[in-house]
Amino acid sequence: QQKVQQSPESLSVPEGGMASLNCTSSDRNFQYFWWYRQHSGEGPKALMSIFSDGDKKEGRFTAHLNKASLHVSLHIRDSQPSDSALYFCAASEPSNSGTYQRFGTGTKLQVVP
Amino acid sequence: EAAVTQSPRSKVAVTGGKVTLSCHQTNNHDYMYWYRQDTGHGLRLIHYSYVADSTEKGDIPDGYKASRPSQENFSLILELASLSQTAVYFCASSEGRPSGNTLYFGEGSRLIVV
Repeated sequence: QQKVQQSPESLSVPEGGMASLNCTSSDRNFQYFWWYRQHSGEGPKALMSIFSDGDKKEGRFTAHLNKASLHVSLHIRDSQPSDSALYFCAASEPSNSGTYQRFGTGTKLQVVP
Repeated sequence: EAAVTQSPRSKVAVTGGKVTLSCHQTNNHDYMYWYRQDTGHGLRLIHYSYVADSTEKGDIPDGYKASRPSQENFSLILELASLSQTAVYFCASSEGRPSGNTLYFGEGSRLIVV
């Protein structure tokens, strides 16, 4: 059973546009979230983590977490062709429990020049 | 930056044969993981370890064994490779418990079982 769901499955945005990716956990215990990015032929690399309600901004990337709905989103402004990649959402229980991160199936983003 | 290296990067194995995938990290991290990537399934955890000489099962451990002989090294062993084990395998490490720490991944090992 997939405890972390991502949408959309794929997304195409024009260069300079805004990309919005979504992630929801079906397990109420999963309250810590990460976004990872994987370029073709490479391993995933962490973009950012978010553990508290609200927004977290790092450069062109903004994550928004709503713990009540267990929903986290990632917004990429001024999208660049180099942002074309597979984006994974991962979730886990809070730190004291020590459980491992579970991943969604990913959103494939294509930024069209 | 954290460094996790995997070998081999690519391998073709025969059904029923033994396959060993190796992982080495230079981060001095306690936790190491083996994930499997398949289209439509994302990344699924096979085994992980938080200390040398000890391994734990993840979500899909059947058909796989793991070995952690030292803090730096973590291997994934397929004793009897099957067609269904064709996938890309990723090793990762984290400084502490995965629930509060970022995972650092290797470049992956592509396994094709024929």
